[in-house]
Amino acid sequence: QQQVKQSPQSLIVQKGGISIINCAYENTAFDYFPWYQQFPGKGPALLIAIRPDVSEKKEGRFTISFNKSAKQFSLHIMDSQPGDSATYFCASSNFGNEKLTFGTGTRLTIIP
Amino acid sequence: GAVVSQHPSWVICKSGTSVKIECRSLDFQATTMFWYRQFPKQSLMLMATSNEGSKATYEQGVEKDKFLINHASLTLSTLTVTSAHPEDSSFYICSARGTGYSYNSPLHFGNGTRLTVT
Repeated sequence: QQQVKQSPQSLIVQKGGISIINCAYENTAFDYFPWYQQFPGKGPALLIAIRPDVSEKKEGRFTISFNKSAKQFSLHIMDSQPGDSATYFCASSNFGNEKLTFGTGTRLTIIP
Repeated sequence: GAVVSQHPSWVICKSGTSVKIECRSLDFQATTMFWYRQFPKQSLMLMATSNEGSKATYEQGVEKDKFLINHASLTLSTLTVTSAHPEDSSFYICSARGTGYSYNSPLHFGNGTRLTVT
């Protein structure tokens, strides 16, 4: 599986602030870019996903920005809350292939 | 929403024994299931793809004789860790794809199984 590079490894943000996590992929055949949220001892849960035919997708406080030419995409969490504290994984796949390649994860901590 | 259930949620076994982990799709039929392994504070690594009624496809470096996968029905896939050793201790997670898979109906993940081999 080709790599998906994710940064930062950990992130501390004050409550109400904006959390930004970045990912970069290699395989130009990838056409599905989801973000997952994982709490300790639980499986990952889909947060939001984007296809490469749009540059941005917003769902509530969560926004994905996508740059196809740079092969990069990012997750923005607006008005970050303590309940957002979790590990976030980006992933990529060729949708027809279905096999997700996960990023290395970002441990997000929201402090009061 | 679609639910994927894993059982057990945690298991402790002795070295040399075998452990079976079940992955069930509760409210949809899953033609394809995926098994992942996750070490502490690390990412999910795909182990194998399980297709109903056919042999699983294993990723490079995964021993198929050690990690036996059976997808006998559209709602159940099992992963059996045979002759477990301490290095097999990990968090195993399954995901399932429904028959109506689309961008708006993506993979659903189970809550994982924590395996500890003593």
